[in-house]
Amino acid sequence: KNEVEQSPQNLTAQEGEFITINCSYSVGISALHWLQQHPGGGIVSLFMLSSGKKKHGRLIATINIQEKHSSLHITASHPRDSAVYICAVRPPTSGSRLTFGEGTQLTVNP
Amino acid sequence: NAGVMQNPRHLVRRRGQEARLRCSPMKGHSHVYWYRQLPEEGLKFMVYLQKENIIDESGMPKERFSAEFPKEGPSILRIQQVVRGDSAAYFCASARTATDTQYFGPGTRLTVL
Repeated sequence: KNEVEQSPQNLTAQEGEFITINCSYSVGISALHWLQQHPGGGIVSLFMLSSGKKKHGRLIATINIQEKHSSLHITASHPRDSAVYICAVRPPTSGSRLTFGEGTQLTVNP
Repeated sequence: NAGVMQNPRHLVRRRGQEARLRCSPMKGHSHVYWYRQLPEEGLKFMVYLQKENIIDESGMPKERFSAEFPKEGPSILRIQQVVRGDSAAYFCASARTATDTQYFGPGTRLTVL
């Protein structure tokens, strides 16, 4: 079993829909990251969080440390949000390297 | 305010050749990480370096792979005697400190013929 599990693996939505991507992890962590990988392959860091909630534009990330669970929400989704969204954790015993989920492929149709 | 730079963006090598991948971290960042993404797979940690030191190389294959981050110049990931299974996207990330956000470069896509 992977240390980081994401669901769903694939998600198709219509423009304007509210989207949720989930991440569960089985290890203690010092921080959790949400990343976006564009169709061209580049990776952008969206959020780093260790508690609570963060918001940036239409993106919201939440984390529940007790339940070892995080969610990424996208409000008013747009076709340009189509990408792979990756959850990554930094266990406190691993130094600062990241352990990644397999990613969620999001497609937003116009 | 340039981001993390990687070059080359695409690299083609024949089996048995050497591949050198370069990563220039963001200004002010002294922590560099290399990750590999095999086709149809997720990202995997390879090595973590801080100027002139390898901090954690537990994700790097024991043979043929090496990494360095000299006092001056970019970090280098070197793969000797490449094999087809080395074909992948190699991403570098940098951070200002060990606990800061890691910023990713555009990646180098290595194809071994």
